[in-house]
Amino acid sequence: QKEVEQNSGPLSVPEGAIASLNCTYSDRVSQSFFWYRQYSGKSPELIMSIYSNGDKEDGRFTAQLNKASQYVSLLIRDSQPSDSATYLCAVWYSSASKIIFGSGTRLSIRP
Amino acid sequence: DAGVTQSPTHLIKTRGQHVTLRCSPISGHKSVSWYQQVLGQGPQFIFQYYEKEERGRGNFPDRFSARQFPNYSSELNVNALLLGDSALYLCASSFITSGANVLTFGAGSRLTVL
Repeated sequence: QKEVEQNSGPLSVPEGAIASLNCTYSDRVSQSFFWYRQYSGKSPELIMSIYSNGDKEDGRFTAQLNKASQYVSLLIRDSQPSDSATYLCAVWYSSASKIIFGSGTRLSIRP
Repeated sequence: DAGVTQSPTHLIKTRGQHVTLRCSPISGHKSVSWYQQVLGQGPQFIFQYYEKEERGRGNFPDRFSARQFPNYSSELNVNALLLGDSALYLCASSFITSGANVLTFGAGSRLTVL
């Protein structure tokens, strides 16, 4: 099992709709989770961090964490063409002192 | 404030050569992490340094090495380059090295090995 797994996509969503991105992780003791956005040819930039079970909202973005199911997701409401990018899920593995990234999900917002 | 700066931005090497990549963290950040990103994949963890000490190491061969200097800048060295080392090398800095370890990435150094 991969340490952090994401569906590679591409995920195509119409403009104005909700985009839902999912991620699972293998380490039961992980406590810190991150979503990064990466535009083509650019470096990753942080969108959200989440540390507790439940939802965390920031503008059009909502991160959801379920530690029992080892599952973290990102919802993007009112999707815009500028949201078209690769979204990377990242998990802090304390046992190895490292943040592990998934392979990313390519999101395309169609006008 | 300056963000994470990396140099060089692009470089081309041939097989067998070595390369040194440099990174300056955000002012006040004491931790530097290095990642390799091959096209179409997520960043792969190589090293993390905090206060000049190695705190984490990924599954990379001994050809890869790094160090952190007293001013918290860092170098990544790769010896005996292989074609498969062609990738974007990302440096990220953070204030601490715990679970709240939010990484800020530099623009990256794109290495092409011919």
